[in-house]
Amino acid sequence: GAGVSQSPSNKVTEKGKDVELRCDPISGHTALYWYRQSLGQGLEFLIYFQGNSAPDKSGLPSDRFSAERTGGSVSTLTIQRTQQEDSAVYLCASSLRQGQETQYFGPGTRLLVL
Amino acid sequence: DQQVKQNSPSLSVQEGRISILNCDYTNSMFDYFLWYKKYPAEGPTFLISISSIKDKNEDGRFTVFLNKSAKHLSLHIVPSQPGDSAVYFCAARSVRNSNYQLIWGAGTKLIIKP
Repeated sequence: GAGVSQSPSNKVTEKGKDVELRCDPISGHTALYWYRQSLGQGLEFLIYFQGNSAPDKSGLPSDRFSAERTGGSVSTLTIQRTQQEDSAVYLCASSLRQGQETQYFGPGTRLLVL
Repeated sequence: DQQVKQNSPSLSVQEGRISILNCDYTNSMFDYFLWYKKYPAEGPTFLISISSIKDKNEDGRFTVFLNKSAKHLSLHIVPSQPGDSAVYFCAARSVRNSNYQLIWGAGTKLIIKP
């Protein structure tokens, strides 16, 4: 596809369950970002991948959160033992290379933890 | 500590008039600023940006003004159109942040009245 895609678009889960969120960046984009947007808040940075370099995990809120990027393309964000405060829209963005400020966003995954 | 602040959660403007969206920041190391627009159920899309070496950047109906001494930027939309109704996010990049992480405001919901 031409843009960043994310799946699922919506996810409802029970507290304590694990969830996996997927992001397909724009082909050829080496930089990939995960953000979280809680209700009424701005975008909160979670993690950043650049090529084959070690990811910047400085934004992950707890060790229940982890992310992988396989083959420099698709990324998966995993939340273990979900809590109600994890409910948010999880957004993925990619950019052509590190330092290119314009990030292209996917539509997001709306996560609701009951 | 909110480094990028959008103090107006919402703004209502008559169609055809000027919309002015404001953003304040606290970090003097920010060197690049961006505005993104977000429709419901979609990811943010890039709108316009400005480097800290400039005080104005114009693109069609959209103009961004930067006042470095006041640590303030604004987005002007003239004339406002119904399709401009969306949430607008201000974002800033720190020159010291090697991962080019963007710091985001909480957004302002713009409503254009017919």
